[in-house]
Amino acid sequence: DTEVTQTPKHLVMGMTNKKSLKCEQHMGHRAMYWYKQKAKKPPELMFVYSYEKLSINESVPSRFSPECPNSSLLNLHLHALQPEDSALYLCASSQDTYEQYFGPGTRLTVT
Amino acid sequence: SQQGEEDPQALSIQEGENATMNCSYKTSINNLQWYRQNSGRGLVHLILIRSNEREKHSGRLRVTLDTSKKSSSLLITASRAADTASYFCATDGGYQKVTFGTGTKLQVIP
Repeated sequence: DTEVTQTPKHLVMGMTNKKSLKCEQHMGHRAMYWYKQKAKKPPELMFVYSYEKLSINESVPSRFSPECPNSSLLNLHLHALQPEDSALYLCASSQDTYEQYFGPGTRLTVT
Repeated sequence: SQQGEEDPQALSIQEGENATMNCSYKTSINNLQWYRQNSGRGLVHLILIRSNEREKHSGRLRVTLDTSKKSSSLLITASRAADTASYFCATDGGYQKVTFGTGTKLQVIP
């Protein structure tokens, strides 16, 4: 199974809402990533988890809160987002070879 | 700013033609990767080339790397309509951290 799944596919939320994005992989990969991608731009790294521990936080605002409950799951908790946070949120996983496997993404709209 | 700058930003070719896109980067790297992204979807890894390699092939893909010029190119031969996508180079900025280039949007016209 070389698939990374993400739920939901689409999410519309108000600025006062709390929501979560979910990512799952069953490839035994020990690194998992969150990226943010705005339209017509490349993905920008947000967080990296390595062996279920947060190893990289690219100075992401605290309204984004990552969580790695186990080696297969990665969540991104969202709270008090701004309209400019609307984007495609991509999850990825990898082993040690740097090749990353991406999920299809969650299209987030903040109203 | 992004590590990689790609050109052209957009490329339109006829089916069967070859497509070449280029990536330039700023600092030393251990490896460089190329990814494809279909419209609004996740990225798919195409190929990885290490800093001590100069050329690598995978099917219809040919990647070159010139570390002295800090540049790489991706050649897609005999293009197909299904190759229509955005292509990104990605350079490593340390363990498990990659930075994506600006991307080339390729359109292959049937």
